Amino acid sequence: GAGVSQSPSNKVTEKGKDVELRCDPISGHTALYWYRQSLGQGLEFLIYFQGNSAPDKSGLPSDRFSAERTGGSVSTLTIQRTQQEDSAVYLCASSKGASRETQYFGPGTRLLVL
Amino acid sequence: GESVGLHLPTLSVQEGDNSIINCAYSNSASDYFIWYKQESGKGPQFIIDIRSNMDKRQGQRVTVLLNKTVKHLSLQIAATQPGDSAVYFCAENGNSNSGYALNFGKGTSLLVTP
Repeated sequence: GAGVSQSPSNKVTEKGKDVELRCDPISGHTALYWYRQSLGQGLEFLIYFQGNSAPDKSGLPSDRFSAERTGGSVSTLTIQRTQQEDSAVYLCASSKGASRETQYFGPGTRLLVL
Repeated sequence: GESVGLHLPTLSVQEGDNSIINCAYSNSASDYFIWYKQESGKGPQFIIDIRSNMDKRQGQRVTVLLNKTVKHLSLQIAATQPGDSAVYFCAENGNSNSGYALNFGKGTSLLVTP
C-alpha cells in the first residue's frame, strides 16, 4: 500500500524566506509526527498531531516553526524567515495512533538555506 | 583551517557474518524501543520493535535484545548481506510525556564487505 509521502523532496531557499513542507500520512493513520535530521545526526522530534486533539509542539525549536494538520490528514510544516541553521532533512511519520505504535517515515524533504 | 567532521560509530562486517549493533539508553521510564534502518537519501525504515515486558524478539534475520537492568538494547543481524549496509538507529519513548514522540540515538553505520 501507499506509504508516507512528502513534498518537495528537495528545497533550496534564501535566508529570510518562508518555506512550506507537506506530508501525506498513510491512510487511516491518526497520528502524525514531524522530525528534523541534521547532517550525520539522529532525528530530533518537532511536533505531534493525534486526531483532533491539540498538537504537542514541545519540540519546535523556535516560534518561526509552525505546523498544521487539516482534516486530520495532510500536514504542512512552515518555517518563517529561514536561517542557515534550519538546513536539514525534515521527516514526517505516521502511526495508527495508539501510544507505542510503530511510526512509519516518509522519504523526507531536504532543505538547504543559502 | 582544520575541518571537523561528524563521525558515526562504524561497524564493518564481512558478508555472511552476523552483525551486532548496540545502543544504550538512559531513561528508566522508557517502555518501547524500535530499531530503524536508514539508507542514504531515504527516510528511516522500521526493522523491529520491542516492549519493556519482553527481553527478546525475533524477526526475519533480525533479533532485538533488551536488558533493562543495564539499559541496553542490541540488534543482531544474521548472515549479513550487502543490502544491509546502512545507518541503524535505535529509538525509545522515555523522554516523551505522552509516550508518543521517539528519542533517537546518533546511529551506527554498518558496512558490509563482500
